[in-house]
Amino acid sequence: RKEVEQDPGPFNVPEGATVAFNCTYSNSASQSFFWYRQDCRKEPKLLMSVYSSGNEDGRFTAQLNRASQYISLLIRDSKLSDSATYLCVVNGGSYIPTFGRGTSLIVHP
Amino acid sequence: ETGVTQTPRHLVMGMTNKKSLKCEQHLGHNAMYWYKQSAKKPLELMFVYSLEERVENNSVPSRFSPECPNSSHLFLHLHTLQPEDSALYLCASSQDPSGVYEQYFGPGTRLTVT
Repeated sequence: RKEVEQDPGPFNVPEGATVAFNCTYSNSASQSFFWYRQDCRKEPKLLMSVYSSGNEDGRFTAQLNRASQYISLLIRDSKLSDSATYLCVVNGGSYIPTFGRGTSLIVHP
Repeated sequence: ETGVTQTPRHLVMGMTNKKSLKCEQHLGHNAMYWYKQSAKKPLELMFVYSLEERVENNSVPSRFSPECPNSSHLFLHLHTLQPEDSALYLCASSQDPSGVYEQYFGPGTRLTVT
């Protein structure tokens, strides 16, 4: 099993849709979790950290399920500008953050 | 200037050349990272530095040689590269190397080895 797995997509959704991505991880000792956004040919940028109790930032909600070892990202009321690749990052308490391959989202008019 | 900067943004080099990539962070962070991003692959961590000391070398070939003269600057020296080394090289920094804190990335250097 890969350390961090994401469905590569692409997820192709209309504007206004709600879309959810999951990211599974194999190291049960993992302690820190993040979602990053990467636009085409640009660097990754932090979207949000993922806290044990779940957290929300505007249209974005992140959840952590330790029992099933996955994190999720929910995007409500999708905008065209949300089109990007979404990377999950899991830190297992070492110096090595592990990135998923990313999930591609395309929001169309 | 703020954030993390990288130069050059694009680099084309032959297999016998020697070149260096530069990264500078203006965030007061104590940890810096080099990553390689190839098409259709996840980000690959290459090196981690904490307060100028290398704390992780992720099985990177010796043709890549990092240097961290101080906590704000990081270099990646390149020599006798192979065409498969063509990729986007990203520098990042974080408050410390524990993994608790998020990373801030530079814009990257797009490297082509001919």
